[in-house]
Amino acid sequence: RKEVEQDPGPFNVPEGATVAFNCTYSNSASQSFFWYRQDCRKEPKLLMSVYSSGNEDGRFTAQLNRASQYISLLIRDSKLSDSATYLCAAPSGAGSYQLTFGKGTKLSVIP
Amino acid sequence: ETGVTQTPRHLVMGMTNKKSLKCEQHLGHNAMYWYKQSAKKPLELMFVYNFKEQTENNSVPSRFSPECPNSSHLFLHLHTLQPEDSALYLCASSQELALNEQYFGPGTRLTVT
Repeated sequence: RKEVEQDPGPFNVPEGATVAFNCTYSNSASQSFFWYRQDCRKEPKLLMSVYSSGNEDGRFTAQLNRASQYISLLIRDSKLSDSATYLCAAPSGAGSYQLTFGKGTKLSVIP
Repeated sequence: ETGVTQTPRHLVMGMTNKKSLKCEQHLGHNAMYWYKQSAKKPLELMFVYNFKEQTENNSVPSRFSPECPNSSHLFLHLHTLQPEDSALYLCASSQELALNEQYFGPGTRLTVT
């Protein structure tokens, strides 16, 4: 079974801190990866897509390490509004349209 | 945001009831998905439709019956559910089946009593 593993947390960090989450995947053939953000009792919202070595969008950086089969999400200068659960997703197989999701990592940014 | 809408947002039903969940996407996408999200479990893919043709049924019990009349609408018909079916049911869509950027609707929170 192809799985995606995440540290469930919670990660409690002060405002302004830098925090990083890792996500490991078991299917070495996966080519693209995704980070979603899910607020309490809401739907997942696409945060970042990772198709090559990494991607950066403002305070958020996603990096891919194919050799060790993990992707990371780095959040710089954390804001209170970053508090959410962050879900990692990877295709279930090469060319697969099925995404396997991790259970998510919960982040709480505290004043 | 109104890209993917779902109704109803909340549903309480008895085990003998029949109900339907509706999803509509306004993004011009060709692929649509049903997911189930239970507490402390990862998102579980249930069904996949591409150009309104079902391409995947991930061993979902027959008490869940999907319907996709066109590329913009997706239904999930429910009958004789069990209490363990209580969960958040999420619809998602993507431009094409091969592109995995999926966009989710707000979900229907289902409680089976």
